[in-house]
Amino acid sequence: QSALTQPASVSGSPGQSITISCTGASSDVGGYNYVSWYQQHPGKTPKLMIYDVSSRPSGVSNRFSGSKSGNTASLTISGLQAEDEADYYCSSYTSSNTYVFGTGTKVTVL
Amino acid sequence: EVQLVESGGGLVKPGGSLRLSCAASGFTFSSYSMNWVRQAPGKGLEWVSSISSSGSYIYYADSVKGRFTISRDNAKNSLYLQMSSLRAEDTAMYYCAREASVTIDYWGQGTLATVPS
Repeated sequence: QSALTQPASVSGSPGQSITISCTGASSDVGGYNYVSWYQQHPGKTPKLMIYDVSSRPSGVSNRFSGSKSGNTASLTISGLQAEDEADYYCSSYTSSNTYVFGTGTKVTVL
Repeated sequence: EVQLVESGGGLVKPGGSLRLSCAASGFTFSSYSMNWVRQAPGKGLEWVSSISSSGSYIYYADSVKGRFTISRDNAKNSLYLQMSSLRAEDTAMYYCAREASVTIDYWGQGTLATVPS
């Protein structure tokens, strides 16, 4: 149950697009289309941003999009805004009927 | 509105026990699997345990297997986590979280468990 691998930090200027990667294995990310992404502001509860690799919950901005290729999933934030500055975590269902989270990525808006 | 309210956290000595509770409202609790996820201070998210809607299927992270027990009372719309043989590395905010269609979608505000080293 090793954590999924994410970059520690990603930054971008307002209006730019950034992409966060999430690398796992065939037993989790690569084996299922059950990858989710969460946004967490300091001191706050995680918020679901993307589920089932690329689906957006109601109320989440369409500036957030997800994709997957092989064992790596990605979250793209387009038109970066100051409010997007937060920690982001990926998560995947696993072959052991458990969940595994990513190591987390701090997004900084320059 | 989905609401998940955790309680039961606190300061406990190494080797001690703690029972966390989660009161659910705003949805049909008995229809959903539920999870516990924790976050150590300044660290990332770690999945801890899950329980199916009926309680028939239960899973644990290797890090807590044999020490933690998840349970639920659908009549009381409540989820529990009994934690024993606690260690310093169990210090974390513990979140109760709902699972819908293989997605953890709603989270509570969390309850903090502290085990000093």
